[in-house]
Amino acid sequence: QPVLTQSSSASASLGSSVKLTCTLNSGYSTYIIAWHQVQPGKAPRFLMKLADSGRYTRGSGVPDRFSGSSSGADRYLTISNLQSDDEADYYCETWDTHSQWVFGGGTKLTVL
Amino acid sequence: EVQLVESGGTLIQPGGSLRLSCAASGFTVSRNYFGWVRQAPGKGLEWLSIIYLDDSTYYADSVQGRFTISRDTSKNTLYLDMNSLTADDTAIYYCARATFEYLFDFWGQGTLVTVSS
Repeated sequence: QPVLTQSSSASASLGSSVKLTCTLNSGYSTYIIAWHQVQPGKAPRFLMKLADSGRYTRGSGVPDRFSGSSSGADRYLTISNLQSDDEADYYCETWDTHSQWVFGGGTKLTVL
Repeated sequence: EVQLVESGGTLIQPGGSLRLSCAASGFTVSRNYFGWVRQAPGKGLEWLSIIYLDDSTYYADSVQGRFTISRDTSKNTLYLDMNSLTADDTAIYYCARATFEYLFDFWGQGTLVTVSS
């Protein structure tokens, strides 16, 4: 079964950029993933799907400050020109062929 | 407007049963995959269940045999029936639409279930 590993926290300054990482375990490095943003009191927001090729597709209404990239088993979410509203928990997600979904442990992003 | 609106969350005693609902608008529940995901206090997202177009269903080990996902196409509503609830089931419960690439791409705002005596 795929396992997604994320750093528990990250921080960056207002107006700067931050790159969050989601790492797939061995044997699953080609899997497509999704990135989601979770803020208290709000519906989680689908940000993008991201393939091993680095090709990504943003969700509806997601600003182009959010971009994705890949390298081997690593999937990245880069947020540029950080805004205070970007402070949130970010989760990656994938699926396996046994119809089991998996989420990473989440990264708590603090905007300084 | 595209919306998923969950309801049914409440305070319930351990051992009790509860049905959560997720009313869809802008989606047709019979033409999409839908799932349930929860987030316990201070914890991350946990996938619970999925229902496919052919009504086949799958569950996480943590809820297998206790939770049942279903849908009512006439009401365009998804359900999660939960039995034998314990304190570990305390969480915000979200319904979400999954794409045919098996990724969740739209979420409801969630409903809070608290299991406590």
